[in-house]
Amino acid sequence: DTGVSQDPRHKITKRGQNVTFRCDPISEHNRLYWYRQTLGQGPEFLTYFQNEAQLEKSRLLSDRFSAERPKGSFSTLEIQRTEQGDSAMYLCASSLQFPRNTIYFGEGSWLTVV
Amino acid sequence: AQSVTQLDSQVPVFEEAPVELRCNYSSSVSVYLFWYVQYPNQGLQLLLKYLSGSTLVKGINGFEAEFNKSQTSFHLRKPSVHISDTAEYFCAVKVGRTSGSRLTFGEGTQLTVNP
Repeated sequence: DTGVSQDPRHKITKRGQNVTFRCDPISEHNRLYWYRQTLGQGPEFLTYFQNEAQLEKSRLLSDRFSAERPKGSFSTLEIQRTEQGDSAMYLCASSLQFPRNTIYFGEGSWLTVV
Repeated sequence: AQSVTQLDSQVPVFEEAPVELRCNYSSSVSVYLFWYVQYPNQGLQLLLKYLSGSTLVKGINGFEAEFNKSQTSFHLRKPSVHISDTAEYFCAVKVGRTSGSRLTFGEGTQLTVNP
């Protein structure tokens, strides 16, 4: 069990550029989640997948955001035309059936939009 | 919609003192409750959870929490804290089946343990 891996850990980008984050969940976890956390706040739910199906999306996930999990394993979160308000930590997590099983979080990907 | 309120944004305590971090939630239906800890530049780690059964839940690192349905609270306690307990603590709730798999988090409580 190597835990949830996220890449890159830090990303600085200019406003208007596109960025992509990758998440590798714990193997055999069929559920994968994305959360966003800004400084001084708790994490906010963005979306979650069960296997390759995206089952739930938050209203926070604007049209500029897209998440995929093409083969039910790793996932990517892409932000197009980044804005300064997108600066945050993007947390990925995975689990087996929830809430009976624990949601395990990765260490997050920090995004700074300048 | 459910919400979570952590009543203290910062809690400073001395080492070996007891501590209580307060959490209230708003929901009229069944809930599942969680406490997570976040160390600097790291993700979140589950401390404990309440799904059903006994209202007193014991977690890792000597923490425990009590679910109080009438007061809609889930306060976290530790009888004697260590310097290493310094971290951000988040209370979270999942409401029955209606919220799918989403967790709603509070804004966090920064626990600082001083020598």
